[in-house]
Amino acid sequence: EVQLVESGGGLVKPGGSLRLSCAASGFTFSTYSINWVRQAPGKGLEWVSSISSSSTYIYYADSVKGRFTISRDNAKNSLYLQMNSLRAEDTAVYYCARDYVSGSWFDYWGQGTLVTVSS
Amino acid sequence: QSVLTQPPSASGTPGQRVTISCSGSSSNIGSNTVNWYQQLPGTAPKLLIYSNNQRPSGVPDRFSGSKSGTSASLAISGLQSEDEADYYCAAWHDSLNGPVFGGGTKLTVL
Repeated sequence: EVQLVESGGGLVKPGGSLRLSCAASGFTFSTYSINWVRQAPGKGLEWVSSISSSSTYIYYADSVKGRFTISRDNAKNSLYLQMNSLRAEDTAVYYCARDYVSGSWFDYWGQGTLVTVSS
Repeated sequence: QSVLTQPPSASGTPGQRVTISCSGSSSNIGSNTVNWYQQLPGTAPKLLIYSNNQRPSGVPDRFSGSKSGTSASLAISGLQSEDEADYYCAAWHDSLNGPVFGGGTKLTVL
């Protein structure tokens, strides 16, 4: 069974940093592109970042470019999102989601982890 | 403001057929396939329709998708109470190197 489990969310002050993790199981992690998608409270979905299977291709939404860094460790079946210079508007549930094929659709999603940026 | 435009709400009674529209541009829907996600209350999104009109295994055939030009639609026939959820359309955006989503449509089963 494919599973994606996010962790690392919490309360952080504006300007602070946080590192999210996504633990994958039930599939060959090293052969899939993985994404971060976020959802602000009561709002819609927003794609944040993607990383290809071997980390060759990395992309970011303009709203997080220069502040967030996506990475992965295929030996540990894990995806990460380092979030720096956090702003109130980064408050959201962050989901990791698997690309069926890079640039296609997200066939599996984690349950999400909540990040709250507030003083 | 979302790149893809969806109506914020839709409703129907059990057994009815409802449709949800999704409008985009030549940079997203017009040149790429459309996917739909269902988000039940308090849960993560789930893939409902992919590649315009394909259903993943386990999705009832009551759900169908279509695309024409820069617009797409999700149709739900034989509406059931468990269909009450938020529905999001999505499509790859050429200049973004990532997908864009609609703002979501909250479906209420009356």
